[in-house]
Amino acid sequence: AQSVTQLGSHVSVSEGALVLLRCNYSSSVPPYLFWYVQYPNQGLQLLLKYTSAATLVKGINGFEAEFKKSETSFHLTKPSAHMSDAAEYFCAVKGGFQKLVFGTGTRLLVSP
Amino acid sequence: ETGVTQTPRHLVMGMTNKKSLKCEQHLGHNAMYWYKQSAKKPLELMFVYSLEERVENNSVPSRFSPECPNSSHLFLHLHTLQPEDSALYLCASSQDSRGPTDAFFGQGTRLTVV
Repeated sequence: AQSVTQLGSHVSVSEGALVLLRCNYSSSVPPYLFWYVQYPNQGLQLLLKYTSAATLVKGINGFEAEFKKSETSFHLTKPSAHMSDAAEYFCAVKGGFQKLVFGTGTRLLVSP
Repeated sequence: ETGVTQTPRHLVMGMTNKKSLKCEQHLGHNAMYWYKQSAKKPLELMFVYSLEERVENNSVPSRFSPECPNSSHLFLHLHTLQPEDSALYLCASSQDSRGPTDAFFGQGTRLTVV
């Protein structure tokens, strides 16, 4: 069985500051890991995914995430926050043929 | 535009009404999903269809009835809902239901049961 834990339901940063959204996973098989973003009144959009090809994964809008097996983590980062990054972010895990399991989400707030 | 279109975007219905949510994808995907998104709760997978066959039903009450007439369309028929069923219902599709395939989501239907 798989699960993900997203630490912090809300994260606040200033425009231009580093963004760090935390995700820890649990999986009984080698996992596939995903980050999705949801803007208000919208569906989820894939930011990036890890499929074992490389531990540092680059996604859209300047986001990246690093898979750390020893820490069972897949934290999302962006060097410099922009106002347009304000949204809800979901980490998700999929183990092999099993279903995609989502975390509870982290709302990113960006202040001027 | 994600390639997955859901209608209607908003729906208000009484507890005795019958309504349907529609989802359409033209991405050539073989798997389609219904998710329920409630405030402060993880996304809940409701149903999975692969090649038009239901492959997963996560203990969803019978007042929710899915239908997948072909690989491009997915419906969720609603009847005698409860106020706690108010939520955002998201449809998604993927190339197949296994492996690291990306799920593409629609914009959702915001359902309010009164």
